[in-house]
Amino acid sequence: DQQVKQNSPSLSVQEGRISILNCDYTNSMFDYFLWYKKYPAEGPTFLISISSIKDKNEDGRFTVFLNKSAKHLSLHIVPSQPGDSAVYFCAALTSGHDMRFGAGTRLTVKP
Amino acid sequence: DAGVIQSPRHEVTEMGQEVTLRCKPISGHDYLFWYRQTMMRGLELLIYFNNNVPIDDSGMPEDRFSAKMPNASFSTLKIQPSEPRDSAVYFCASGSAGPYGYTFGSGTRLTVV
Repeated sequence: DQQVKQNSPSLSVQEGRISILNCDYTNSMFDYFLWYKKYPAEGPTFLISISSIKDKNEDGRFTVFLNKSAKHLSLHIVPSQPGDSAVYFCAALTSGHDMRFGAGTRLTVKP
Repeated sequence: DAGVIQSPRHEVTEMGQEVTLRCKPISGHDYLFWYRQTMMRGLELLIYFNNNVPIDDSGMPEDRFSAKMPNASFSTLKIQPSEPRDSAVYFCASGSAGPYGYTFGSGTRLTVV
């Protein structure tokens, strides 16, 4: 039962351009959404989050957009840097602490 | 703070053997989570604890899997007997109350041959 879906397993962008990672969810009870970044041989690290009462949250080069009617969120990275190359996981929470993850998207930023 | 500490980093065992994975959460965090990452299913939540009490173990795949948290600074995930399909990376994460990002350990890569 995949409640959180990341349909693009990989994405490649040029350094300096925008990276857009997408995520869809099916459970309308989710009220908090998060993005995690994962490097090889390390655990996922928290990147940015958004509450369901908002439609945008920005932190430096990272912006998360939430479209509740479409059950869709996206992470924008501008400008993209080679150090951003990693696997990005979308995650979602209900009022509890049962955090569900997508399958991840591997981002490659080419110099 | 050293973060969430997991041991061992790598474990190779033979089918049928017992495997114990260990986790030390961040001091002060009252939630602890065990996740499993596989190519097929991504990151799956296995079980989580609040104040050392198991809250939801619905993600534990079978009775061969068990988890304990005897105190606030230690948790184990045990597989007995292990099977090749249990091969995966197992992550422990900890956090505080509130829907904030959790802190993950570096994971234990388990290979069952």
